[in-house]
Amino acid sequence: DQQVKQNSPSLSVQEGRISILNCDYTNSMFDYFLWYKKYPAEGPTFLISISSIKDKNEDGRFTVFLNKSAKHLSLHIVPSQPGDSAVYFCAASEANFGNEKLTFGTGTRLTIIP
Amino acid sequence: DTGVSQNPRHKITKRGQNVTFRCDPISEHNRLYWYRQTLGQGPEFLTYFQNEAQLEKSRLLSDRFSAERPKGSFSTLEIQRTEQGDSAMYLCASSLADRGTHYGYTFGSGTRLTVV
Repeated sequence: DQQVKQNSPSLSVQEGRISILNCDYTNSMFDYFLWYKKYPAEGPTFLISISSIKDKNEDGRFTVFLNKSAKHLSLHIVPSQPGDSAVYFCAASEANFGNEKLTFGTGTRLTIIP
Repeated sequence: DTGVSQNPRHKITKRGQNVTFRCDPISEHNRLYWYRQTLGQGPEFLTYFQNEAQLEKSRLLSDRFSAERPKGSFSTLEIQRTEQGDSAMYLCASSLADRGTHYGYTFGSGTRLTVV
């Protein structure tokens, strides 16, 4: 049972435009959500997180939006740069219930076209 | 280098052999995690330690898998009697307690296991 879903395996965006990556979840107990970025032959790198008590968190070019009623979150990258080309994973946890495990989605491969 | 270090980077083994992987976390991190990633999937949780105590194990971790963190520093993951289905990237990560799920773990580059 896939509790965290990224339904778009790939996405191509022109350099300078906005990249929007989407993630849906099914577990109502999830209360923290994270985005990771992964380059080939490297481990995932933490990008940004959001608590379920918020609906938006911003860090530079990266903004995560959370819609709890729809069980949906998205990552916006503005403006997109060639170095953003990577696989992006959405992850979720039941952090406030003392559960340290992260549940990951299957990833979206983002390609920025120069 | 203050990152998470994993050795070896690649391991090819014959079915039925035992393999052991090592992870050296960031020195001040007291939590250490093992995840497994197969092609086209996201990382899947296997187990985690706080200091030397193993606090949770996934159902994915069959009896052939064992993980240790004897002195609360480095960790080893052993797979006995390997099967072709064990072929995957094994990722180690570390964090400070109570911060990993809020501010993200630091992952190593992984050990890629191929069972032939």
